[in-house]
Amino acid sequence: SAVISQKPSRDICQRGTSLTIQCQVDSQVTMMFWYRQQPGQSLTLIATANQGSEATYESGFVIDKFPISRPNLTFSTLTVSNMSPEDSSIYLCSVESSGTTYNEQFFGPGTRLTVL
Amino acid sequence: GEDVEQSLFLSVREGDSSVINCTYTDSSSTYLYWYKQEPGAGLQLLTYIFSNMDMKQDQRLTVLLNKKDKHLSLRIADTQTGDSAIYFCAESNPNNNDMRFGAGTRLTVKP
Repeated sequence: SAVISQKPSRDICQRGTSLTIQCQVDSQVTMMFWYRQQPGQSLTLIATANQGSEATYESGFVIDKFPISRPNLTFSTLTVSNMSPEDSSIYLCSVESSGTTYNEQFFGPGTRLTVL
Repeated sequence: GEDVEQSLFLSVREGDSSVINCTYTDSSSTYLYWYKQEPGAGLQLLTYIFSNMDMKQDQRLTVLLNKKDKHLSLRIADTQTGDSAIYFCAESNPNNNDMRFGAGTRLTVKP
């Protein structure tokens, strides 16, 4: 298993500002994922972050709005840029287990973002 | 795109069985999962089932898969107040690295 921590756990931000969310894993992992969890909706994958390469963004998400860094195998950041109230959500990072065949993912506790 | 759907709420009495249902549309799904999310915590994998299976049992949990109807269910026997949480159905297939999640079912267990 993997233990994942995220910072901050929650934040309230003003419209137009940016917030960087950190994700730390207790072991080296190849693939890290960033999800958004909006109330009453499914988790939506924002992007996949592999160390040493550019993040791969899903449809509807762009690098200018959600820049991602992946400087090493245990750490990643997601920045929510030029925030608007529509960005209010829980942001989760996850990693994929390398020791199973069934693609288990481990999730961080999430960052609850409120944009005023 | 492919969808995963589940009802948003379920309320049961302590000691009863809970059944949470999920439907999906991707016929090439390989693995189907149930994740549990407790308040303030990340999602935790409860159980998974491979698409060539129709049932899996793990202590109080029973997963049923009807591949023809693309229907997945999670039965929790003798539901306890500690089972109160949001349960997410998810699926993955070998063509993608990502997983697709349902919106989550909030299970409330009343004493």
